[in-house]
Amino acid sequence: DVKVTQSSRYLVKRTGEKVFLECVQDMDHENMFWYRQDPGLGLRLIYFSYDVKMKEKGDIPEGYSVSREKKERFSLILESASTNQTSMYLCASSLYRVHQPQHFGDGTRLSIL
Amino acid sequence: AQTVTQSQPEMSVQEAETVTLSCTYDTSESDYYLFWYKQPPSRQMILVIRQEAYKQQNATENRFSVNFQKAAKSFSLKISDSQLGDAAMYFCAYRTFDLRNYGGSQGNLIFGKGTKLSVKP
Repeated sequence: DVKVTQSSRYLVKRTGEKVFLECVQDMDHENMFWYRQDPGLGLRLIYFSYDVKMKEKGDIPEGYSVSREKKERFSLILESASTNQTSMYLCASSLYRVHQPQHFGDGTRLSIL
Repeated sequence: AQTVTQSQPEMSVQEAETVTLSCTYDTSESDYYLFWYKQPPSRQMILVIRQEAYKQQNATENRFSVNFQKAAKSFSLKISDSQLGDAAMYFCAYRTFDLRNYGGSQGNLIFGKGTKLSVKP
């Protein structure tokens, strides 16, 4: 089974802090994704990566950056956390082929105080 | 741009009964993939069922089946013999088949806002 592991289930940070959310997958997937999930808004794509060191902006990249130095790891960075970034963050990965489904991690509930 | 609409924010079904969750989408493409994902209270999103737009036959996975109406751009999910474990958020998602639309990537998922399904014992 595919395993997508997010480093924290719950995280509390303060406004202005630099925050790192880590995601690791163990199935050699080319594609990795970061989503934000908010009630009534569904999932919105922040950034995705289709190869090491490659990244593309999703629908809501402002205030975020990403890093993919190794194929199995995709990090989401909040450069200067703000209260409106309090949310559930989901990481996903998939094989390169378009028909392959995405596999999700358990999510990180991030609160910015 | 493609959009996915789930018009039912919440649904409820009696255990052992059948429920249908609706999903419509908007696209100008002729080839694409559609997915239903389930997110139980434990929060890990899992794939329920997948449909290729070029296939006319509706996908089926055990108690889960879809009614895919390509001309109407409708992709509803039917859950038969509902069980307590079916209670979850359900998300409909669209994925383009046209690689030209997404540069080096293989196409991203576009999600609806979700339907919360409750199952009554």
